[in-house]
Amino acid sequence: DAGITQSPRYKITETGRQVTLMCHQTWSHSYMFWYRQDLGHGLRLIYYSAAADITDKGEVPDGYVVSRSKTENFPLTLESATRSQTSVYFCASRDRTGASNQPQHFGDGTRLSIL
Amino acid sequence: LAKTTQPISMDSYEGQEVNITCSHNNIATNDYITWYQQFPSQGPRFIIQGYKTKVTNEVASLFIPADRKSSTLSLPRVSLSDTAVYYCLVGDGMDSSYKLIFGSGTRLLVRP
Repeated sequence: DAGITQSPRYKITETGRQVTLMCHQTWSHSYMFWYRQDLGHGLRLIYYSAAADITDKGEVPDGYVVSRSKTENFPLTLESATRSQTSVYFCASRDRTGASNQPQHFGDGTRLSIL
Repeated sequence: LAKTTQPISMDSYEGQEVNITCSHNNIATNDYITWYQQFPSQGPRFIIQGYKTKVTNEVASLFIPADRKSSTLSLPRVSLSDTAVYYCLVGDGMDSSYKLIFGSGTRLLVRP
């Protein structure tokens, strides 16, 4: 099925561990994004990518690492997880073509708990 | 980047029309106005986007006055399934739309 999928949907880990969240999209969209959403708040941009091998920091990048070796995948890694990184993580993608703003398409999120 | 201000919450009843207004006083010339809907445990979903005047699609209408300093999302005849958080965002196009800032949104509760 076409779309954007995130895995895992739920993850519990301990402080200090490395965690990788996966994001895969089937549209061949150029842009991909990672957001975090804390309880009762809006989304904050962590990292984004304009194309394969091109990534850049968003609003809250500290403690996170991303890579994009293939257009369709955009994994997010927490190198040494901390409790403050407990959150719901959303991946999104967007097409590059077209004259007007292209809307972002979001996955269903990964709920990450760090104990 | 233009900041947006929306009501924190709204209540309505099934079958009513709901209008959610968003203020964006510092909107720039190239900015578009986009609305997203988010259900619990799901990612935001694009609803509608506009630049000026009125835009209508199968789920909503977007009214933008001439000065563009505000916009109103109109949901006709809401149902219980429209209970969600609605976000208003402004952004200026392909190269910098990654900077879209999601505020706290408007939490709409539709009652039977």
